[in-house]
Amino acid sequence: EVQLVESGGVVVQPGGSLRLSCAASGFTFDDYTMHWVRQAPGKGLEWVSLISWDGGSTYYADSVKGRFTISRDNSKNSLYLQMNSLRTEDTALYYCAKDIGNHYGFDYWGQGTLVTVSS
Amino acid sequence: QSVLTQPPSASGTPGQRVTISCSGSSSNIGSNYVYWYQQLPGTAPKLLIYRNNQRPSGVPDRFSGSKSGTSASLAISGLRSEDEADYYCAAWDDSLSAVVFGGGTKLTVL
Repeated sequence: EVQLVESGGVVVQPGGSLRLSCAASGFTFDDYTMHWVRQAPGKGLEWVSLISWDGGSTYYADSVKGRFTISRDNSKNSLYLQMNSLRTEDTALYYCAKDIGNHYGFDYWGQGTLVTVSS
Repeated sequence: QSVLTQPPSASGTPGQRVTISCSGSSSNIGSNYVYWYQQLPGTAPKLLIYRNNQRPSGVPDRFSGSKSGTSASLAISGLRSEDEADYYCAAWDDSLSAVVFGGGTKLTVL
């Protein structure tokens, strides 16, 4: 059974930093592209970033480019999101999602971890 | 403002057929697969349709997807109360090098 478990969400001040983690199990982690998707309270879904199976390719939404860094450790079946220069508009539930197979769709999602940026 | 355009709301009575539209452009829907996600209240999104019109195992055949040009649609037939949820379309955008979502459609079963 595929499982994605996010962690690391906390309350942080504007300008602060945070690293989110996603522990994956139930599939061959290093075969798949992985994504982060976020959802602000009461709002729709917003894609944040993706990383290829080997970490060689990364893409970011314009809203986070230059501030967030996606990475992975295939030896630990783990995905990460380093978030710097946080803004109040980054407040959201952050989901880790597995790619369906290099077609940029998400076939499995975690339950999310809440990041609140507030002074 | 979302790159893909969906109606903010839709509704129907039990047993009815409802369609939700998703409009994009040549750089997203026009040249890439469309995906649909269902988000029940208080839960994580779930894949409903992949590669325009394919259903994952476990998704009832009441749900169907289609694509034509730069638009896509999700149809739900035999509407049931448990279908009340938010529905999102998504696709890769070649110009943005990003996954883009629609703003979501809240489906109400009357």
